[in-house]
Amino acid sequence: EAGVAQSPRYKIIEKRQSVAFWCNPISGHATLYWYQQILGQGPKLLIQFQNNGVVDDSQLPKDRFSAERLKGVDSTLKIQPAKLEDSAVYLCASSQTSGVNEQFFGPGTRLTVL
Amino acid sequence: KNEVEQSPQNLTAQEGEFITINCSYSVGISALHWLQQHPGGGIVSLFMLSSGKKKHGRLIATINIQEKHSSLHITASHPRDSAVYICAGCTSNTGKLIFGQGTTLQVKP
Repeated sequence: EAGVAQSPRYKIIEKRQSVAFWCNPISGHATLYWYQQILGQGPKLLIQFQNNGVVDDSQLPKDRFSAERLKGVDSTLKIQPAKLEDSAVYLCASSQTSGVNEQFFGPGTRLTVL
Repeated sequence: KNEVEQSPQNLTAQEGEFITINCSYSVGISALHWLQQHPGGGIVSLFMLSSGKKKHGRLIATINIQEKHSSLHITASHPRDSAVYICAGCTSNTGKLIFGQGTTLQVKP
């Protein structure tokens, strides 16, 4: 069974530029999560989707971050414009459904903002 | 407020030693995940438990619901066990994970 796929694996941009990350969850998983992990810290949930609907985006900086999962399968997370403090690993995870379920994580995208 | 506290933050052990990492959590968390993260690597789910004990190879996870405490044990530790171990509490309504700070484990040969 294929795991959670993410791309790109690494991205370096300058501040004020835009960037987009892509995630393809495990086939059949209804719930998709985007996390931000700053170096030395635990992951922080940015947004959670159930199919193509948003369940929780309370910690998403909506002035610069946006995410979509239009068809309820793969998802894109965008940052526009990027700031230095956005440098982090962006992790995507999926689970069969919401609630108490095991989450499967992708390899992450390491973003460096210069 | 949902919180998850881990200890110790850093742990160095000799190969073969028995290792314990502890996790305490607050009200509102209905299950605990134990995750492993290697340097530069993604996160791997080790266990998810809401009661009792689970074992996989040399790894054992226990949870005491009354005391709101969970432990991850590694028996006969090996240098390849060196990683960051993270406990994360799960809220039952959305499945949102509340992450602990992580424990950086180094096992020396």
